[in-house]
Amino acid sequence: EPEVTQTPSHQVTQMGQEVILRCVPISNHLYFYWYRQILGQKVEFLVSFYNNEISEKSEIFDDQFSVERPDGSNFTLKIRSTKLEDSAMYFCASSGSRTDTQYFGPGTRLTVL
Amino acid sequence: QKEVEQDPGPLSVPEGAIVSLNCTYSNSAFQYFMWYRQYSRKGPELLMYTYSSGNKEDGRFTAQVDKSSKYISLFIRDSQPSDSATYLCAMSDRGSTLGRLYFGRGTQLTVWP
Repeated sequence: EPEVTQTPSHQVTQMGQEVILRCVPISNHLYFYWYRQILGQKVEFLVSFYNNEISEKSEIFDDQFSVERPDGSNFTLKIRSTKLEDSAMYFCASSGSRTDTQYFGPGTRLTVL
Repeated sequence: QKEVEQDPGPLSVPEGAIVSLNCTYSNSAFQYFMWYRQYSRKGPELLMYTYSSGNKEDGRFTAQVDKSSKYISLFIRDSQPSDSATYLCAMSDRGSTLGRLYFGRGTQLTVWP
């Protein structure tokens, strides 16, 4: 069964460093998403991406964040200068069409020290 | 934000019990309602998806939506130890496009043998 994959599973970084989280969506999917979950809190929407551009972003997704689809299979989330409060589980999701639901990857646990 | 409210539990039941999980919401524009299951250190896995009000059944799982009360439920019949997980409700306000999902905090369920 096709699935969304994410790497790395755990990333530890120093405050102020740049990190790139990687996702491989399901191969025929067209819509891509990033969510995050701070420990003990809700899963929160960050950004959606379609046709090589951002469709929607939340108030969390400020200038420190960017997304890219560098090739036909990867979808990345970059945090330019990490803060302690960026420590969270980051989930990538993809969907096949506008009315399809979203399938989530296993997540990357980001720890900012 | 208090758009979606969900009792975090924990909820502990014996094997074979009927489990009832619930969420309330405040945004009357929500039209798509989902239940995800999340095992420890994994991404959310879609269980049920319903549109607007009504019931939907899939095996031991039944999802109910009452838009007039802004209340959704997930029932699990004949619960099994393998059902032990965190259950997340999620919703979307897109007309024909599933955009950002709004999640509840999740209810942690343990089914003991």
